[in-house]
Amino acid sequence: AQSVSQHNHHVILSEAASLELGCNYSYGGTVNLFWYVQYPGQHLQLLLKYFSGDPLVKGIKGFEAEFIKSKFSFNLRKPSVQWSDTAEYFCAVSSYNQGGKLIFGQGTELSVKP
Amino acid sequence: GAVVSQHPSWVICKSGTSVKIECRSLDFQATTMFWYRQFPKQSLMLMATSNEGSKATYEQGVEKDKFLINHASLTLSTLTVTSAHPEDSSFYICSAAGAQAYFGPGTRLTVL
Repeated sequence: AQSVSQHNHHVILSEAASLELGCNYSYGGTVNLFWYVQYPGQHLQLLLKYFSGDPLVKGIKGFEAEFIKSKFSFNLRKPSVQWSDTAEYFCAVSSYNQGGKLIFGQGTELSVKP
Repeated sequence: GAVVSQHPSWVICKSGTSVKIECRSLDFQATTMFWYRQFPKQSLMLMATSNEGSKATYEQGVEKDKFLINHASLTLSTLTVTSAHPEDSSFYICSAAGAQAYFGPGTRLTVL
């Protein structure tokens, strides 16, 4: 069965600090990978996704993620965070042929201090 | 991007009553929709896959008789929580499968 593990439950950073959120998945086949963000009181928004091709994926708001197949990882990065990045971040995986059926990680709460 | 709506956005009901939550894809047709449940400070747990014109597929541990799913058209799936109890209080989120998964804004259910 698929599973997704996010290493950090709560991350606290100061503005301008660099961010890296870990995500590892467990699945033997071809996968699609996603990072979603949930701002307080709002619904999920897609930050970026990986289906195939270049393993370094760039998303919205300056976020990027790197798919490392050998490590089953899809870590999210941002060089310089802003206070407005305070939110919950979810890594998710779907199998290649199962479209929108997503398995989510536990989520990482990011708090950015101004 | 594609828009998915949910109605109601929040609902409070008495224990033992049933509550219906609607999920609509507003600008595309979705043969498949998904229902998730999110407890406070926790992740989204997939409950079931809703297939237009056929029975839903439930994840392990989800009671199909308690969480009734109907996907009667290509733009509407409904989740009915039957005989709701306080432990069913949660945030229910749907998504519709298009080019990617498009999520609705969620429905907060509180059972008194």
